Amino acid sequence: GAGVSQSPSNKVTEKGKDVELRCDPISGHTALYWYRQSLGQGLEFLIYFQGNSAPDKSGLPSDRFSAERTGGSVSTLTIQRTQQEDSAVYLCASSKTGQGTGELFFGEGSRLTVL
Amino acid sequence: QQQVKQSPQSLIVQKGGISIINCAYENTAFDYFPWYQQFPGKGPALLIAIRPDVSEKKEGRFTISFNKSAKQFSLHIMDSQPGDSATYFCAAWSGNFNKFYFGSGTKLNVKP
Repeated sequence: GAGVSQSPSNKVTEKGKDVELRCDPISGHTALYWYRQSLGQGLEFLIYFQGNSAPDKSGLPSDRFSAERTGGSVSTLTIQRTQQEDSAVYLCASSKTGQGTGELFFGEGSRLTVL
Repeated sequence: QQQVKQSPQSLIVQKGGISIINCAYENTAFDYFPWYQQFPGKGPALLIAIRPDVSEKKEGRFTISFNKSAKQFSLHIMDSQPGDSATYFCAAWSGNFNKFYFGSGTKLNVKP
């Protein structure tokens, strides 16, 4: 695709439900990141995938959060038993390499609202 | 702890003025410093970036000034335009951690 694609763009759910957010990175990009942006806040790192290496999960806020990346391409971020404090925009980004010389390309985000 | 500190949180500038956003970092292992621009409802997009071996980088109306000894860098927007109104994020990269650390963002409003 032309850019990083995220779905759904908006998700409203009830507290306690599970949600899945999908990210389709730019073809050929080996690095994939998930960030969380709360209202008016900065970008909080969640998880990083690089090629076939074990993901860096150091930013996941609790064990309710998990992510996987299948076939080195599409990634899914899953939030179990959602809480109101999970409400945020979840941004996915990819880059051609895992190094700092690689520009991060962001999707438009998935806005999650937990009622 | 916050690896990159950004200020101000918000900024109002008149059209034609200079917008200045500052960032400071602690970790000397950082070796790549990009700035990202985010419009409402969109993801951030790379605006300009610098490596610590240079003190300044200019691209059009946008300039990064970098002070390695002070561990500070700043974004200057010359001749600010209403179309520049957006949220700006500074970031720092460390190969040691293999991830970007972002500042908290600055919401810029350029008044016509």
